[in-house]
Amino acid sequence: EPEVTQTPSHQVTQMGQEVILRCVPISNHLYFYWYRQILGQKVEFLVSFYNNEISEKSEIFDDQFSVERPDGSNFTLKIRSTKLEDSAMYFCATQGSGTEAFFGQGTRLTVV
Amino acid sequence: GQQLNQSPQSMFIQEGEDVSMNCTSSRIFNTWLWYKQDPGEGPVLLIALYKAGELTSNGRLTAQFGITRKDSFLNISASIPSDVGIYFCAGHDNYGQNFVFGPGTRLSVLP
Repeated sequence: EPEVTQTPSHQVTQMGQEVILRCVPISNHLYFYWYRQILGQKVEFLVSFYNNEISEKSEIFDDQFSVERPDGSNFTLKIRSTKLEDSAMYFCATQGSGTEAFFGQGTRLTVV
Repeated sequence: GQQLNQSPQSMFIQEGEDVSMNCTSSRIFNTWLWYKQDPGEGPVLLIALYKAGELTSNGRLTAQFGITRKDSFLNISASIPSDVGIYFCAGHDNYGQNFVFGPGTRLSVLP
């Protein structure tokens, strides 16, 4: 069964460092999303991406965040200068022609 | 802003019991989805609902899309230990627009 793959599964970084989280979408899916979940809290929308541009973004998705599909397959989330409060699980989700979104296993980001 | 509420926030049940949880919204959605999340894992899609009034089953799971399109419920029959986890509802409008998640219902199943 096709699945969304995220790497790394866990990343520890120092405050102020840049991190790139990677996602390989399900083949032929066209809509891509990033969500985050702070430990024990709800799943929060960050950004949606379609046709090589951002469709919608939340207020969480400030200038420190960016997304791209550098090679037409991987979908990446970059955080330029990480803060302690960026520590969370980051989930990539992709959507095809149906209305369901399928989630990856997540990347646990720990900022120290 | 957009907000979904889920009830109950958490529940403890005995193995074999049936479970019912609700999701309500302050606005209308075109699609409702129910996800289950295990600790340290990503949300896994359980059921998707597309039409107001729609009742859909997936094994021991049954979910309904409320007629007003502002609510949905999920029932689990004959619960088993592996049903433990957090159940999220999510509302969605159109492609490329975000899926709005509820805060989740944490289910614990006692043997």
